[in-house]
Amino acid sequence: GQNIDQPTEMTATEGAIVQINCTYQTSGFNGLFWYQQHAGEAPTFLSYNVLDGLEEKGRFSSFLSRSKGYSYLLLKELQMKDSASYLCAVRDSNYQLIWGAGTKLIIKP
Amino acid sequence: IAGITQAPTSQILAAGRRMTLRCTQDMRHNAMYWYRQDLGLGLRLIHYSNTAGTTGKGEVPDGYSVSRANTDDFPLTLASAVPSQTSVYFCASSSGGGTGELFFGEGSRLTVL
Repeated sequence: GQNIDQPTEMTATEGAIVQINCTYQTSGFNGLFWYQQHAGEAPTFLSYNVLDGLEEKGRFSSFLSRSKGYSYLLLKELQMKDSASYLCAVRDSNYQLIWGAGTKLIIKP
Repeated sequence: IAGITQAPTSQILAAGRRMTLRCTQDMRHNAMYWYRQDLGLGLRLIHYSNTAGTTGKGEVPDGYSVSRANTDDFPLTLASAVPSQTSVYFCASSSGGGTGELFFGEGSRLTVL
């Protein structure tokens, strides 16, 4: 079956760096997405990786290794507003999105 | 601001009742989706539509139906609601081009008693 694994919850300190991991086993691969979802709100797009390597976008970076079925989202200079759930999703060979359950990130002052 | 509008935002419904969740987008996206989100689970696809006039079943379609009469609207109907359909429902759309990222509506919180 298809599976996306990410930690359920993580805690980090304001101003620090945190890395949220995502491992996947899917039928084919056509890209990996990270979305941010604040409590009670809709998910919003953060990043997209289809080739191996690091994609940097401001304080957020996303890394992909297709051979290892692995990605991470790196958040730098953490701010209180970064407290949210982070969803990893993989697009499979049928171009359907397979979603992880999300990682709830708690930022402490 | 362009985007996706869902209605109602929240609804409490008696089991056995019929309910339609509305979804309208003004981005002229071809693809639209309905997901449900439950605690501890990833988003699960209920139904999708790649273009007006066509629909398809997702991972959890039982008990739900959709229609896509035009590009903008994609309503989701629960013919006879059951308590297991208590969830937060998100409508989303995608242009299909570029990354194919999804744009989500604000969600509809449905409670079936």
